[in-house]
Amino acid sequence: DTGVSQDPRHKITKRGQNVTFRCDPISEHNRLYWYRQTLGQGPEFLTYFQNEAQLEKSRLLSDRFSAERPKGSFSTLEIQRTEQGDSAMYLCASSVGTSAPGQYFGPGTRLTVT
Amino acid sequence: QQPVQSPQAVILREGEDAVINCSSSKALYSVHWYRQKHGEAPVFLMILLKGGEQKGHEKISASFNEKKQQSSLYLTASQLSYSGTYFCGSDGSGNTGKLIFGQGTTLQVKP
Repeated sequence: DTGVSQDPRHKITKRGQNVTFRCDPISEHNRLYWYRQTLGQGPEFLTYFQNEAQLEKSRLLSDRFSAERPKGSFSTLEIQRTEQGDSAMYLCASSVGTSAPGQYFGPGTRLTVT
Repeated sequence: QQPVQSPQAVILREGEDAVINCSSSKALYSVHWYRQKHGEAPVFLMILLKGGEQKGHEKISASFNEKKQQSSLYLTASQLSYSGTYFCGSDGSGNTGKLIFGQGTTLQVKP
């Protein structure tokens, strides 16, 4: 069990550029979640997958955001035409099934849009 | 709807106890508790399921009142390592694992 990993850990981009983040979940975990967290706030749900199927996407999420999980393994989150308001920590979490034994978070990717 | 946590911040001396509350306006299937230290990812502490099943961690326990849609996290004999921000996450979507997190409670334990 090597834990959830995310790459890159930090990303600085200019407004209008596209960025892509990668998440590698714990190998036996079939559920994968993406959250966004800004300073002083709790993580905000973005989307989640069961295996390769994307089951739900937050209604608050702009069409500029897309995620996929080919073959039910790693996942990518892409943000197109980044805006300054996209600056945040993007967290990935994985779990076995649903509620038990909890979601395990990766270290996150900190995005700064200048 | 985002669950509401109280208090927003707590300062303790080592060995003292603390209670953190989490209330939801929606019916809950489960409540998850996490601790996040500055600059780190949230770490799972425990989950409380509808029906009373509970899983614990260290000297930390929790309760879940389904009727009141409230959960409380109890930290006993606090240690310096307990410092951090505690988040409750509510799953009201029928066991999807999709969590809506509260705004957090910052706990500082002093020697």
